[in-house]
Amino acid sequence: IAGITQAPTSQILAAGRRMTLRCTQDMRHNAMYWYRQDLGLGLRLIHYSNTAGTTGKGEVPDGYSVSRANTDDFPLTLASAVPSQTSVYFCASSLTSESSYNEQFFGPGTRLTVL
Amino acid sequence: GQNIDQPTEMTATEGAIVQINCTYQTSGFNGLFWYQQHAGEAPTFLSYNVLDGLEEKGRFSSFLSRSKGYSYLLLKELQMKDSASYLCAVRDRDYQLIWGAGTKLIIKP
Repeated sequence: IAGITQAPTSQILAAGRRMTLRCTQDMRHNAMYWYRQDLGLGLRLIHYSNTAGTTGKGEVPDGYSVSRANTDDFPLTLASAVPSQTSVYFCASSLTSESSYNEQFFGPGTRLTVL
Repeated sequence: GQNIDQPTEMTATEGAIVQINCTYQTSGFNGLFWYQQHAGEAPTFLSYNVLDGLEEKGRFSSFLSRSKGYSYLLLKELQMKDSASYLCAVRDRDYQLIWGAGTKLIIKP
């Protein structure tokens, strides 16, 4: 693995189903993030984790949950998917969360369609 | 509230120069980032500004004026591969990134 990987690449899901989007990084970054990207809108932060064992809510957390059991993995779960959760989901990581110059590296994204 | 404004779309000619503007209103300021995103791909880091002035990196330069809440990305000697969306993002007082909707740049031969 080099960088950040996400799985699946794309998914079509029936409304009401549970879905977990996977994200793994091998850069030993402390901070990780989940964003959704919708046409005409900027990237919106769903949840973040400043370090393993801690998580926080972003701008649009409702309907989503995350966990950070270790440094490398940061899965995003939709407990009961709804059509408004149709979006492209990006996982990102950065070395730390509390430094000004601290670029975020992005995974390739998961395109999710909820019908 | 927090707000980042960028033009939705711009068109330029191969070999020319284009300036993409970004204005922001955020709760605190801890740096401004520009990212490039090709269609169907992930954003990739281009530049970072935290102090006023111009940062140059090859064909790309980024300018910041904190007092005006303003930045621009300057792309010189445009190439067809520069056709992409350019995202402006500001790190706020909580060190979270606030993103603009992006500017789609179309390069014509």
